[in-house]
Amino acid sequence: DGGITQSPKYLFRKEGQNVTLSCEQNLNHDAMYWYRQDPGQGLRLIYYSQIVNDFQKGDIAEGYSVSREKKESFPLTVTSAQKNPTAFYLCASSIAARLELYEQYFGPGTRLTVT
Amino acid sequence: AQSVSQHNHHVILSEAASLELGCNYSYGGTVNLFWYVQYPGQHLQLLLKYFSGDPLVKGIKGFEAEFIKSKFSFNLRKPSVQWSDTAEYFCAVNAGNTDKLIFGTGTRLQVFP
Repeated sequence: DGGITQSPKYLFRKEGQNVTLSCEQNLNHDAMYWYRQDPGQGLRLIYYSQIVNDFQKGDIAEGYSVSREKKESFPLTVTSAQKNPTAFYLCASSIAARLELYEQYFGPGTRLTVT
Repeated sequence: AQSVSQHNHHVILSEAASLELGCNYSYGGTVNLFWYVQYPGQHLQLLLKYFSGDPLVKGIKGFEAEFIKSKFSFNLRKPSVQWSDTAEYFCAVNAGNTDKLIFGTGTRLQVFP
């Protein structure tokens, strides 16, 4: 059963702690993305990776870090430097090409609450 | 900077009413256009997309969208909505030679029986 998994579904952390969100895909997609979804703001791109061992900052990368050591995995770390970390985080993947097959497939999301 | 505008933030309709959700983008070059839907408690999923050819695109569940280049618009339509269409709808644009999508802020649709 192909798809994207994100774990856990809900995550609670204390302010000042770093936390890592998991994202795994078995679609054999080259590109992976992390978005943050806040009410009334849509989806905003945090980081993306088009190939293993390479990634680029999105529009709101400050306070976040990523790694892409394996094709199927793209973990996101929310650091203590992120001023408003409480949000719904979505991971996506796509065939990395500008083809008519292009679309992004999304995971179920992780809701992070920092208190 | 490229941007996507969805002017309808919250739409409330009765079943069988017609739906049109607005989407405008700011980019003068070639664009690929998408509508995604997020049903309550479910993954974000693709509703339809436009790459080239016929500007009237048909998607799943009876939805369609029309690309009007002169108006920089890609409005989503459905002639008769159902209660099960209650969801949040996002317009997205892939502009120029990038692998990124730029999303609008979303439109929350509530359909009452």
